[in-house]
Amino acid sequence: QSALTQPASVSGSPGQSITISCTGTSSDVGGYNYVSWYQQHPGKAPKLMIYGVSNRPSGVSYRFSGSKSGNTASLTISGLQAEDEADYYCGSYTNSNTLMFGGGTKLTVL
Amino acid sequence: QVQLQESGPELVKPSETLSLTCAVSGGSISNYYWSWIRQSPGKGLDWIGYIYYTGRTTYNPSLRSRVSISVDTSKSKFSLKLSSVTAADTAVYFCARCDDYVIKDWGQGTLVTVSS
Repeated sequence: QSALTQPASVSGSPGQSITISCTGTSSDVGGYNYVSWYQQHPGKAPKLMIYGVSNRPSGVSYRFSGSKSGNTASLTISGLQAEDEADYYCGSYTNSNTLMFGGGTKLTVL
Repeated sequence: QVQLQESGPELVKPSETLSLTCAVSGGSISNYYWSWIRQSPGKGLDWIGYIYYTGRTTYNPSLRSRVSISVDTSKSKFSLKLSSVTAADTAVYFCARCDDYVIKDWGQGTLVTVSS
């Protein structure tokens, strides 16, 4: 199974909004509402930020939101803050009953 | 929130079997899937597989011939075995709790290096 496609990097200034895309196929992202997003700071374990396409776990800032259109899911971070600088990974369930991740996107806050 | 802690050898020789165990605390091991995920240095996340508490397993097709995940509900632990390792298997290995196909809780990760 090939990794979901994410841009290698995105950047934005404090206070701005950015969007990270995650493109798959109808066998994964497009076929199920089991898309999740994870934030990973250097040397740390990933942290769940969005699940079920657009749901935020308790404790995750309202500045993080998720959506999906067809085979592409998106993570939007509004009101960028320095602490948002991290790597972001999307994940999806697949029709083979497996999970798969995107290649990851490095977010730089300028 | 459940806590997960990986343990096992940090150094494994090429062609040998990598073995890791994950201890689960702060919650029941029942009614969830338990997963292993790895991350090679400087690379992205790679899903290895998961096991339901009943013992039912699903593996990444790219690793299926070399991987085995087991669970011991009496000890609240689950384990990973990866055979015939090479340098390409050098990675940080995370154990995790999976609920509704979402990785909700992660261990801190353990670096396993494959080298002679």
